[in-house]
Amino acid sequence: SQQGEEDPQALSIQEGENATMNCSYKTSINNLQWYRQNSGRGLVHLILIRSNEREKHSGRLRVTLDTSKKSSSLLITASRAADTASYFCATSGGSNYKLTFGKGTLLTVNP
Amino acid sequence: KAGVTQTPRYLIKTRGQQVTLSCSPISGHRSVSWYQQTPGQGLQFLFEYFSETQRNKGNFPGRFSGRQFSNSRSEMNVSTLELGDSALYLCASSPQGGVYNEQFFGPGTRLTVL
Repeated sequence: SQQGEEDPQALSIQEGENATMNCSYKTSINNLQWYRQNSGRGLVHLILIRSNEREKHSGRLRVTLDTSKKSSSLLITASRAADTASYFCATSGGSNYKLTFGKGTLLTVNP
Repeated sequence: KAGVTQTPRYLIKTRGQQVTLSCSPISGHRSVSWYQQTPGQGLQFLFEYFSETQRNKGNFPGRFSGRQFSNSRSEMNVSTLELGDSALYLCASSPQGGVYNEQFFGPGTRLTVL
């Protein structure tokens, strides 16, 4: 079964608005990563946050991690039409050399 | 540096056949992971190789196998294809493994089984 579960499954917003996606997971993790995928293509790494970190920023992206609630959120500020994509969280835990992906949030940014 | 390349990009096979997919990682990356992506199951981990050794394998039948060569290039093989094997197969490379740092994904191979 999937470790990470993103919420919502789909999100539609207007350009310039902020988009927030959430990820929940079940077991303890070493780190959590967010990836973006444009329509059936390869994934692009966005940001990695380690289990001892609470917040990270990268450009218009802000990621938070709450290990007590086993959840993370990805905030995209001032969204653009080019941000339209599916967003996945991926978790790793222990030493099993495996990333487990959630089913993703489909973000549509309308011009 | 050149990115991760996967060949072929598209493949059509019939049930019962076998297929081999290839992945060339970014130069210097020793870890290669494979994933299967379908609309129903999402992204599922197949296996991960590091310096020619399989370090982990996902919950897939033995028909799915892989290997890694000394130059870090990797292949995966699916024997006795089934309709349900139709999917986008993605490979990803990283210096030490995706659990430690980011993975760089290739564009994928779209496999259709008829």
